Amino acid sequence: KNEVEQSPQNLTAQEGEFITINCSYSVGISALHWLQQHPGGGIVSLFMLSSGKKKHGRLIATINIQEKHSSLHITASHPRDSAVYICAVRVGGNEKLTFGTGTRLTIIP
Amino acid sequence: DTAVSQTPKYLVTQMGNDKSIKCEQNLGHDTMYWYKQDSKKFLKIMFSYNNKELIINETVPNRFSPKSPDKAHLNLHINSLELGDSAVYFCASSQGAIGGYGANVLTFGAGSRLTVL
Repeated sequence: KNEVEQSPQNLTAQEGEFITINCSYSVGISALHWLQQHPGGGIVSLFMLSSGKKKHGRLIATINIQEKHSSLHITASHPRDSAVYICAVRVGGNEKLTFGTGTRLTIIP
Repeated sequence: DTAVSQTPKYLVTQMGNDKSIKCEQNLGHDTMYWYKQDSKKFLKIMFSYNNKELIINETVPNRFSPKSPDKAHLNLHINSLELGDSAVYFCASSQGAIGGYGANVLTFGAGSRLTVL
């Protein structure tokens, strides 16, 4: 069982819908990252958070350390948001990131 | 200006060959990483260097040897390539430890797709 689980694995929605992608992890962490991988393969770092909530444009990331859970929300979704969204965690003082398997998001015009 | 650049973008080679992938970052970051993304799109850390010093070395075959001539470069050399080495290899960099105090999102390169025939 992977230490980092994401749900759903695949998500298809209509343009304008509110999107939620979930990430659960089984170990104590010091930070969590949300990454976006575009259809062309490039990876962009969206957020890094260790508590609370962060917002950037239409994207919001939240984390609940006690519940070992994070969510990525997209408001007013757009076809250009179509990508794979990857959650990754840093465990304690370990330098490495452990990745989730990703959520493939498709937004239909 | 590309922040993290990898070359080559595509590499097709025969089993048993030796190949290298180069990575350079112009962000002034002090930490660089190699990640492998397999056919199921699962990303996994391979190596990390901080100021030219190896700080992460996951369970990777000895055929993989990273080299960091300076903190702006981290190259990956692979000997005796095997079919299972086929993957996309991503280089990334950050300033300071990822998730450490005052840090620090990762900046990824565009990836290098290696196909071993």
